[in-house]
Amino acid sequence: NAGVTQTPKFRILKIGQSMTLQCTQDMNHNYMYWYRQDPGMGLKLIYYSVGAGITDKGEVPNGYNVSRSTTEDFPLRLELAAPSQTSVYFCASSGQGSTGNTIYFGEGSWLTVV
Amino acid sequence: AQSVTQLGSHVSVSEGALVLLRCNYSSSVPPYLFWYVQYPNQGLQLLLKYTSAATLVKGINGFEAEFKKSETSFHLTKPSAHMSDAAEYFCAVSSTGNQFYFGTGTSLTVIP
Repeated sequence: NAGVTQTPKFRILKIGQSMTLQCTQDMNHNYMYWYRQDPGMGLKLIYYSVGAGITDKGEVPNGYNVSRSTTEDFPLRLELAAPSQTSVYFCASSGQGSTGNTIYFGEGSWLTVV
Repeated sequence: AQSVTQLGSHVSVSEGALVLLRCNYSSSVPPYLFWYVQYPNQGLQLLLKYTSAATLVKGINGFEAEFKKSETSFHLTKPSAHMSDAAEYFCAVSSTGNQFYFGTGTSLTVIP
């Protein structure tokens, strides 16, 4: 029962570099999300998707891009990394039906930009 | 609009004492309400969920929460704290459209 899987777990980037955080879910959920978590600030929604081919901005989308070519995958792209993007990133998914309206999280990706 | 307020960003209790973490919500429609727990360096995992079936919801690890519509509250309790309960706890609300709104979290410290 994999659920939501995200990689890498840890990454150090230099300022100006780019990278992609990978996320995949095996629950056939239509909705997927990317959050960032900063100390004492709770979760901030970066982007979300309501289905393959459909994405939309959340609260803090600047400096990030996403795509959703399949139901399972929702990668997050960081372009021109900045120190302000040092954070913990969580991918999540939600669906409906027998499990109701519940959101499930991945284990997190710790990103440091130096 | 929906929102969640968690009162107290840090709560400390003695081992064996009652745990009470407070959550108030605002929602224009009947909500789904959730509590999640986050252990250090891990993701958020579901503790319990309210979906209108019963106002008192029991979750994992001995936690429970009571939905009080008149107070727009969904406080999380556990009768006797254990050292392993030390973690960050998040309250969340959702209604239609799979949009979730999270509180800023409460860090629980358990004192031996």
